[in-house]
Amino acid sequence: KQEVTQIPAALSVPEGENLVLNCSFTDSAIYNLQWFRQDPGKGLTSLLLIQSSQREQTSGRLNASLDKSSGRSTLYIAASQPGDSATYLCAVKQFNGTASKLTFGTGTRLQVTL
Amino acid sequence: DTEVTQTPKHLVMGMTNKKSLKCEQHMGHRAMYWYKQKAKKPPELMFVYSYEKLSINESVPSRFSPECPNSSLLNLHLHALQPEDSALYLCASSQVDRESWYQETQYFGPGTRLLVL
Repeated sequence: KQEVTQIPAALSVPEGENLVLNCSFTDSAIYNLQWFRQDPGKGLTSLLLIQSSQREQTSGRLNASLDKSSGRSTLYIAASQPGDSATYLCAVKQFNGTASKLTFGTGTRLQVTL
Repeated sequence: DTEVTQTPKHLVMGMTNKKSLKCEQHMGHRAMYWYKQKAKKPPELMFVYSYEKLSINESVPSRFSPECPNSSLLNLHLHALQPEDSALYLCASSQVDRESWYQETQYFGPGTRLLVL
């Protein structure tokens, strides 16, 4: 059974700092990995999707990397802002023969302070 | 339009009630999903519909009954729930292109916050 873990569970940084969130998964037979953002009590917003054949993806101040063989991904956030405060979730996609499914990580709660 | 809508936003129900959650998307997606999220936990997959057919049921108790009446609509019928079923219920949708399904991202709705008394 796939297990996805994120470290750290919570993180507080001052505005302007660069930071790295970590995600690890136990079964490397994945098709892609996504990073999502969730604001309190809200739905999920997709940030980046990395295919299993790719090493990294970039969108604005966000950069995500994937090392499928070692079961690891990182999300790098440059020049953090208070608006980045949210919970960040990674999720891996697998296929069971009839449909795809996402397994989510445990999440990192980020607080960016002024 | 990349929106998935869910109604109601909040729901309080007793253990003997019957209620339904509704999810709608107009992006032409042919896969729709129900997730359950407890406080401070990640979402957990409950059901997947592909082309209006149930393709994944993650051993969900029968007091939760999904229904996909057409390609835009997904319902979750609730009956005889327990207090531990209180959670945020999230709906999502995605394309099902047989050539590139693995590239497709899931779009999530804002969720229905359910409280079972």
